[in-house]
Amino acid sequence: NAGVTQTPKFQVLKTGQSMTLQCAQDMNHNSMYWYRQDPGMGLRLIYYSASEGTTDKGEVPNGYNVSRLNKREFSLRLESAAPSQTSVYFCASEAGTTYEQYFGPGTRLTVT
Amino acid sequence: RKEVEQDPGPFNVPEGATVAFNCTYSNSASQSFFWYRQDCRKEPKLLMSVYSSGNEDGRFTAQLNRASQYISLLIRDSKLSDSATYLCVVNTDSWGKLQFGAGTQVVVTP
Repeated sequence: NAGVTQTPKFQVLKTGQSMTLQCAQDMNHNSMYWYRQDPGMGLRLIYYSASEGTTDKGEVPNGYNVSRLNKREFSLRLESAAPSQTSVYFCASEAGTTYEQYFGPGTRLTVT
Repeated sequence: RKEVEQDPGPFNVPEGATVAFNCTYSNSASQSFFWYRQDCRKEPKLLMSVYSSGNEDGRFTAQLNRASQYISLLIRDSKLSDSATYLCVVNTDSWGKLQFGAGTQVVVTP
């Protein structure tokens, strides 16, 4: 039982490049989330998915898109990376009954 | 004003001592409250939920004060392994969207 997994762990992009961050969970959770964490700030919600087939914007969605591929997988895409998107990205899942979220190990992204 | 505010610390605590810190939240409609722990360069992990009557989990005690809109975490008999950043987390939605504080850093010293 791996919990929540994320790939890649590290990535360096040049401004304007695109990439997709992958997330998968094996806990049969309905809800999944993408956050970013910047120094001195709390985690900020980018997008979330309440269930397979649905996605909604969070607090900071600009510059990102998501896909809930199936119940297990929730990907985050940066279409044209900008230096302001340099951050640590966490994926999380939640059963939907207790609001307790379980996080993946994170992706450290640097955009130059 | 941030929805969830925490003293960033660091709180430097001798091993074996007690440390306590608070977190304030701005939305009086907030429903669920949590403390998460985050080690350096790692993912946040749920430490404990915070219940209205207060609750304890081993050396950790969490309290909720709805009137003054704050929650607290107390760590007794601090261990070196308690060194971490503690995130205050509040659910203000009927759904699952959480608001995270920026964290309070605790450093336990020998």
